[in-house]
Amino acid sequence: AAGVIQSPRHLIKEKRETATLKCYPIPRHDTVYWYQQGPGQDPQFLISFYEKMQSDKGSIPDRFSAQQFSDYHSELNMSSLELGDSALYFCASSSASGINTQYFGPGTRLTVL
Amino acid sequence: KNQVEQSPQSLIILEGKNCTLQCNYTVSPFSNLRWYKQDTGRGPVSLTIMTFSENTKSNGRYTATLDADTKQSSLHITASQLSDSASYICVVTFSGGYNKLIFGAGTRLAVHP
Repeated sequence: AAGVIQSPRHLIKEKRETATLKCYPIPRHDTVYWYQQGPGQDPQFLISFYEKMQSDKGSIPDRFSAQQFSDYHSELNMSSLELGDSALYFCASSSASGINTQYFGPGTRLTVL
Repeated sequence: KNQVEQSPQSLIILEGKNCTLQCNYTVSPFSNLRWYKQDTGRGPVSLTIMTFSENTKSNGRYTATLDADTKQSSLHITASQLSDSASYICVVTFSGGYNKLIFGAGTRLAVHP
């Protein structure tokens, strides 16, 4: 079965650079969630989208923005990167119809040097 | 292949009743297992975290058990309340590398009055 796809799987950037992470949800899923997980920490909810509209916002910094496109894939844009942005970024998708189970992607590991 | 499987996929119980959610994993090597509660569109809230040497851990009405030999964990909810309605996600940390989290698909619990 198709799963959530995230790209790239690994990304290395320098301070003050920008990064774009992509998430391709499971087909027919209409909701996408973004999470950030620092070393040894629980995943922190950043933002979610339902039907291309932002549905909820968590602890996403102002330097970050995200959107969901017409094909339901989502992109997380990160600007003015800081060392503290180094983390695993997980994307999850779900279908608002039914039981709304979230399926997580494998994550993108971002390292800021 | 490192996997985390949860059952049941969804569950409906009456307020005041107890229930048990299951998590089976094939992740190896494994460092810890966590149970999270997550409301729709919100970030996950940690309930328990157990290492391979711990068999049980409680957090209020939530009690998690772990059998590292059979690679099984359960989350028992006692005297359920309407506010327990949420997704419960089992997450296993794969320690063969850089502590990657492997997420289960979750169990969607609905508590009815």
